[in-house]
Amino acid sequence: KAGVTQTPRYLIKTRGQQVTLSCSPISGHRSVSWYQQTPGQGLQFLFEYFSETQRNKGNFPGRFSGRQFSNSRSEMNVSTLELGDSALYLCASSLGSYANTGELFFGEGSRLTVL
Amino acid sequence: GESVGLHLPTLSVQEGDNSIINCAYSNSASDYFIWYKQESGKGPQFIIDIRSNMDKRQGQRVTVLLNKTVKHLSLQIAATQPGDSAVYFCAEKGDKAAGNKLTFGGGTRVLVKP
Repeated sequence: KAGVTQTPRYLIKTRGQQVTLSCSPISGHRSVSWYQQTPGQGLQFLFEYFSETQRNKGNFPGRFSGRQFSNSRSEMNVSTLELGDSALYLCASSLGSYANTGELFFGEGSRLTVL
Repeated sequence: GESVGLHLPTLSVQEGDNSIINCAYSNSASDYFIWYKQESGKGPQFIIDIRSNMDKRQGQRVTVLLNKTVKHLSLQIAATQPGDSAVYFCAEKGDKAAGNKLTFGGGTRVLVKP
């Protein structure tokens, strides 16, 4: 059974640009959550999507957005990139909404560097 | 706001010894706790979980202890091996008022010395 797949694994952008990251959950999983990981702030929750609906949202500005498709694949977008957006962006999937199960299966992340 | 924290940022352990990683949480209404392990270059990996109606749960070489009185969580690794070197995160699932969100602690790095 394939795990959570995130693309791209590495990318470099400049300030002001926008970026789209993709996540394919484990087959059969309907929930996808996104996290930002930085050395200073640790793992911070961005949002969760379940059955194409955003179920939960963290405390990030509106520049951070996401969506989920009918096949459960998810994308997140960051517009008007800032230096502080440099981070590892992790996607995690779970069978049900993680609000109920809590067990998340993480991908290896997309490392974004903003210059 | 509610948060989950760790007492020790780095733990050096001799191979074969037992490791204990501690975590404090602040939301007394949290009902579910998880430990994750993150190796370099990889995403966090589920290790073990525990619900608030339990005070101890054992897995393979790992034991999680929950003390709700002092809001403390610990992960014990028996006979630590080089492959256990990683960063360990505790996570707390908040109650409905907290949006049922998982909040992660800052992480503890475990270094296993040969």
